[in-house]
Amino acid sequence: AQSVTQLGSHVSVSEGALVLLRCNYSSSVPPYLFWYVQYPNQGLQLLLKYTTGATLVKGINGFEAEFKKSETSFHLTKPSAHMSDAAEYFCAVSEANSGYSTLTFGKGTMLLVSP
Amino acid sequence: DAGVTQSPTHLIKTRGQQVTLRCSPISGHKSVSWYQQVLGQGPQFIFQYYEKEERGRGNFPDRFSARQFPNYSSELNVNALLLGDSALYLCASSLEGGGDTQYFGPGTRLTVL
Repeated sequence: AQSVTQLGSHVSVSEGALVLLRCNYSSSVPPYLFWYVQYPNQGLQLLLKYTTGATLVKGINGFEAEFKKSETSFHLTKPSAHMSDAAEYFCAVSEANSGYSTLTFGKGTMLLVSP
Repeated sequence: DAGVTQSPTHLIKTRGQQVTLRCSPISGHKSVSWYQQVLGQGPQFIFQYYEKEERGRGNFPDRFSARQFPNYSSELNVNALLLGDSALYLCASSLEGGGDTQYFGPGTRLTVL
């Protein structure tokens, strides 16, 4: 069975500082990996995804993530935080299962950005 | 293009009642998935439908049921509501399911009193 672990339920950064949100996964087959962002009282918005190929994936709003198979990690980074980045971030893994695949999510990391 | 839409936005029910939530996928998408997000947790998979057939079901009791219509819209039904069913219910659509990217709607906030 697949699972996702997000280290740190809350991460606080100052505006302009590096953002690093950690995600580790377990999967018995090569995974598809996703990062979603959720603003208050809204649904999930896709930030970026890894399927195959290049292990460094660029997404929207200046975010990127690197797939490291040896570390089973898919950490999310952004060089310089903006106030508008404050939200909850979810890492998810997708694994084919009997002809269909579903997303298994981590518990989320709340990103707090201070001026 | 319109994204995934869900109705209603909010819903308040009492224990024992039944509820129906609705979802319209992105135009051209044939697969719909339902997720439950309890406060403070990540979403949990409930169902996936493709071409009106149930493709998969998560670890939820039989009180939860769903269906998909010929126009690919979907309904989620929950019977005999419990306090623990209070959550944000998210619908996601994708082209064909499988490993396709899932795009989420804004969700329906269900409160059970």
